[in-house]
Parts: sequence; C-alpha cells; structure tokens
Amino acid sequence: GIQVEQSPPDLILQEGANSTLRCNFSDSVNNLQWFHQNPWGQLINLFYIPSGTKQNGRLSATTVATERYSLLYISSSQTTDSGVYFCAVKRGTEASGSRLTFGEGTQLTVNP
Amino acid sequence: DSGVTQTPKHLITATGQRVTLRCSPRSGDLSVYWYQQSLDQGLQFLIQYYNGEERAKGNILERFSAQQFPDLHSELNLSSLELGDSALYFCASSRRDSYNEQFFGPGTRLTVL
Repeated sequence: GIQVEQSPPDLILQEGANSTLRCNFSDSVNNLQWFHQNPWGQLINLFYIPSGTKQNGRLSATTVATERYSLLYISSSQTTDSGVYFCAVKRGTEASGSRLTFGEGTQLTVNP
Repeated sequence: DSGVTQTPKHLITATGQRVTLRCSPRSGDLSVYWYQQSLDQGLQFLIQYYNGEERAKGNILERFSAQQFPDLHSELNLSSLELGDSALYFCASSRRDSYNEQFFGPGTRLTVL
C-alpha cells in the first residue's frame, strides 16, 4: 500500500513562532487531507488539498503532487494549536473506495 | 462540529463481550467510513459503505462487522472483544465515493477490561 511519512515527529514551539510540517507519500494521490487532533481526541479538518495551495487564517498548505509531498505552515502559533497534526492520503490508482491512509502525525506543543 | 455524530462517546466492557457503535453521517453524505485509532497501530481504515453497499475493506478483523442502513446511518459491531480492541473508533462521511473530503465524527472510546 501507499506509505505516508510525516516530519518532524515532535515539535516544541514558543507562542508566536512559525513552523512547517511535512508529509511525503510514496504514490500518486487524488485526495490529501490535513487534520488537527486536539487534546480531546477530535479530528478537525484543516485542508482538503490534493494539489495546489490553500490558506485559512494563520494556516496554509501546499501540495506538490508531482513530487509527492505536502507542507502545512502554521504562523504566529498559539497554545490552542497544540495537538497532533495528521496528513492522510487516498491513492490515485485505487480502483474503488476512498480509504484514507494516515501518517503517524506530528505532535506539536506550543508553550506560552 | 463536523456534522457527523457517533454514539456512545465512551464504552467500557469486558473481554468476550459484543458491542455496537453507531454513526450518523452529515446530511446528504452517502459514504460512511470506519477507522480505528490505537496506540500501537495509529489511525487505520477499517471499512467503507456507499449508499448501503460495502465499497472497500481494510484491515478489519473477522470478529468485526458493519452495515449501512437505508437511512444511511451505520453501525460497527465488535464481538468476542479482546484487550487489544481497546481504541478510539472514528466514523467519517463524504458526499460520494471518490474525490471527496471526509469529515470525522467525535469518536467512540472503547475500553475492554
């Protein structure tokens, strides 16, 4: 199956700092999503971004499908940004169904 | 709030028992997915239903089964429970089968004692 690697595995920041999270995948994809799992366990949709660039407030994401990677940028981080960030992809060559394969996540801690 | 609802939020049961997890998709969504999140396996896809029919199967154990009903809600049945089945079970939904963003419910935290 498709492999999804996220880096770094852990990241500790001071409030106000910027960060970049990376997601590499091993095959072509036709769905890529970024999620934030908050300390209560909820998975919150951040971006649906199989290609291109999107921005939402302090967060932005870029997916370069031809080079098989995606980046999530967090600017002016806040303590509420803490949690685990997941990248999840659906392989483009899959005949049917839309299963997402998740990376292992980046654990982000933002200190006040 | 994603619009996907799951019940119950928490479930504590004993080994060997059987439980049913319920999911209601977002209004208008035809696809329902089940995922399991455990400490050792991460987030893994279990099974997908589209408009009542099974569409894709992942690493779902034979002790587990699911179905999607005519009103599009779905149930995941877990039987002969083992300690290792303790996990957070998520349901997700999307409009159609492919090329669609998936939205996740709040999850059911299952503890098997």
